Amino acid sequence: DAGVIQSPRHEVTEMGQEVTLRCKLISGHNSLFWYRQTMMRGLELLIYFNNNVPIDDSGMPEDRFSAKMPNASFSTLKIQPSEPRDSAVYFCASSLGTRGLFFGSGTQLSVL
Amino acid sequence: AQSVTQPDIHITVSEGASLELRCNYSYGATPYLFWYVQSPGQGLQLLLKYFSGDTLVQGIKGFEAEFKRSQSSFNLRKPSVHWSDAAEYFCAVGSLNTGTASKLTFGTGTRLQVML
Repeated sequence: DAGVIQSPRHEVTEMGQEVTLRCKLISGHNSLFWYRQTMMRGLELLIYFNNNVPIDDSGMPEDRFSAKMPNASFSTLKIQPSEPRDSAVYFCASSLGTRGLFFGSGTQLSVL
Repeated sequence: AQSVTQPDIHITVSEGASLELRCNYSYGATPYLFWYVQSPGQGLQLLLKYFSGDTLVQGIKGFEAEFKRSQSSFNLRKPSVHWSDAAEYFCAVGSLNTGTASKLTFGTGTRLQVML
């Protein structure tokens, strides 16, 4: 069974550009989490969904960040416009009930 | 608010030695506790979890953890460390909502170095 799939693995962009990160959940999972990891702040929860509905987006840093789940198996995280301080590793994770979170390999974002 | 403290930023052990990584949590209700491991350039892999029952839980790769409610701790242990265990280890706490995953709060991590 395939795990959580994220794309791209690496993204290098210039300040001001739009960035879209993608995530495919594990089949059958109904919860989706977006985390950001930096040396300074560690792992921060940005937003999470249950059954395609956003439950808590209090971790989204600014209005420049938005996340969607157009269907039960796919999610996007968009940053528009991007800034150098957005540089980080972005992880998505999916879950079902009490099984714990299963993480993708992450997207390394560099904003120049 | 839930929180997790991992007091050791960096630990070095010799291969074959025993290991204990500390984790303390703060949570108002019954906690749901996890340990994850992250190798460089990789995502986080679930080692083990606790939400009820036996307070000593077994995980993958020979790891175990013990839940101690009186100490608000969930320490990770391994009797004999292998060089491949070198990685970053994260403790996390969440709430147990039946049928619905809840958000996890992660500690700052402990980096394990293994000397050959």
